[in-house]
Formats: sequence, C-alpha cells, structure tokens
Amino acid sequence: RKEVEQDPGPFNVPEGATVAFNCTYSNSASQSFFWYRQDCRKEPKLLMSVYSSGNEDGRFTAQLNRASQYISLLIRDSKLSDSATYLCACTGFQKLVFGTGTRLLVSP
Amino acid sequence: GAGVSQSPRYKVAKRGQDVALRCDPISGHVSLFWYQQALGQGPEFLTYFQNEAQLDKSGLPSDRFFAERPEGSVSTLKIQRTQQEDSAVYLCASSLARGVKSGELFFGEGSRLTVL
Repeated sequence: RKEVEQDPGPFNVPEGATVAFNCTYSNSASQSFFWYRQDCRKEPKLLMSVYSSGNEDGRFTAQLNRASQYISLLIRDSKLSDSATYLCACTGFQKLVFGTGTRLLVSP
Repeated sequence: GAGVSQSPRYKVAKRGQDVALRCDPISGHVSLFWYQQALGQGPEFLTYFQNEAQLDKSGLPSDRFFAERPEGSVSTLKIQRTQQEDSAVYLCASSLARGVKSGELFFGEGSRLTVL
C-alpha cells in the first residue's frame, strides 16, 4: 500500500462546477500536509498548505481530518485554467511524500 | 538564477550507458531533493541533501544510482548502466529551510530521461 493515496481521475467537470478531491495517508506521524498543482509536462508548484482547522484561499478550500487520516481539496466555480493534476503531499522523515495525483479537466 | 535549473532537459541513452543529471538550486537554499516521476505517477523521493551532507538516500532504487552535492550548492545525480525502467523525469527541488516542515519545495523543470 502506498503511503499517500489519491484517486487518479480524471475528473471531468464543466466550468463553474464545484469539485472535491480526497487523499488518504498512512503515516500517522506526518506533521504537515500540502496540495501541489502540476500542469502537463511542468514541475509541481505549491498550491496551498493544509491546516487542521481548514483553510481557504479564494476558490480553494483545504481540510485535514487527522482521525481518519485524509485531506481534501475543494475547488469552487471551476475555471478552464484549473485543468491540471493535483498532488497531495505529506511530510515523512526529512522528505515530502507525494500521492499519484488527481487529474482535473475543466471543459467549456 | 531565479529558480531551480536542471540540465539536460532531455536525455536519450542507450541501455547500459551512464548518465549524469545536474541541478542548480536557488542560491542560498540549504535543502536539496531529488525525485523520480514516472509517467502518470507522482514524484517518488530519491535522496535529500542538507548543504553538502546527504542525510537520506533511502529512495535510491539501486546501487546504480548515486548523488552528490560536494560544495553544498550544485548537485549531480548519476545513473550507471541505465536500464529501460530508469526512463522517467528526474526532478530536483530545493528549499531555504532545513527539512520540509514548511512544505514549500521549489522544483526545477526536470530532466526527462529515455532509455532505449
């Protein structure tokens, strides 16, 4: 079993839709959690950190459930430019451990 | 430079050849990581440097893989006797802090290795 698991998708949604991704992690010692965005043939870039109390950045909301060991990302009012792969990441010992990524396709 | 720079961007090697991939991190960044990303997969950790010290090499898949960062800045990932399963994008990332607590790793665009 992989340390961080995500549904690979793709998630196909129309513009304006709300879409949510979940990610589960197995290392209960993980301290910090993040969502990265990766465009096709590009490098991953940090989208947002995930805090226990939940946090919002514009149309993006991230939440952490430590008891169930999952994190989520909610995107409201999807834009065409949101089409990308979303990677969740958790801290392991001296490294970030990434999931396989969830691919999102937003269509007109 | 402003970001993490990797070279070469693309490398085609014949099976059995040795390759060397270079990473030039953001100036002053203490931590440097190498990841391997196969098609359709997430980045898989290979190794971590704090300045010139290689603190974790647990992700290197075999003894054919070797990484160094002798002066605490530029790093080289060397793969000896390449195999087809080594075909992947090799991503280098750096961060200002020690370790990954802040989570913000700055990635280079990667070196895409194809082994024929």
